[in-house]
Amino acid sequence: QVQLVESGGGVVQPGRSLRLSCAASGFTFSDYGIHWVRQAPGKGLEWVALISYDGTNKYYADSVKGRFSISRDDSKNTVYLQINSLRVEDTAVYYCTIFHCWGQGTLVTVSS
Amino acid sequence: DVVMTQSPLSLPVTLGQPASISCRSSQSLVHSDGNTYLDWFQQRPGQSPRRLIHKVSNRDSGVPDRFSGSGSGTDFTLKISRVEAEDVGVYYCSQGTHWPPYTFGQGTKLEIK
Repeated sequence: QVQLVESGGGVVQPGRSLRLSCAASGFTFSDYGIHWVRQAPGKGLEWVALISYDGTNKYYADSVKGRFSISRDDSKNTVYLQINSLRVEDTAVYYCTIFHCWGQGTLVTVSS
Repeated sequence: DVVMTQSPLSLPVTLGQPASISCRSSQSLVHSDGNTYLDWFQQRPGQSPRRLIHKVSNRDSGVPDRFSGSGSGTDFTLKISRVEAEDVGVYYCSQGTHWPPYTFGQGTKLEIK
């Protein structure tokens, strides 16, 4: 079955970096663009980034542009989200998704 | 950016009764390819979101037929014909016509009265 599994979250200090991973299985990975969507505690869903099926196009929300970088490794069926210069307001559960399937999310907490 | 506005934000419903959630977009969601990329998601407490409806009215696999989506242009509705206990959660509409960014509504919290 289609599955997305995120990892890499944790507690980090403001200004530090983190790399999230999303491992996919159960579908032809190279056919799909992959999104990251985040959800701050008690808040709604916020789209963060998209990488196209072939990795040539990348799109970001204005709130993360210049600090976040999305990439993919089709040999590992994995998408990454590099998060630099972390801010307190980046605290959220980060989901990878192809919209008809979502991962379980990974929690990033930014705190000094 | 396209702003998605849901109403109501809180929806208490009696078991077995119908429920309806409205979603309005700040501009038409009709794409140049003729499709309207309006989705509905359900997020049960403590769970990841799950897509219920795509392109306005198409139920995803495994979604009960008591869920239906309708609408056009800028006005859309998610209806539950008879609410069951497992329907408790937050419902979001989302647009994928004018991106980036993809945008979501604020969410509507459905609870049992």
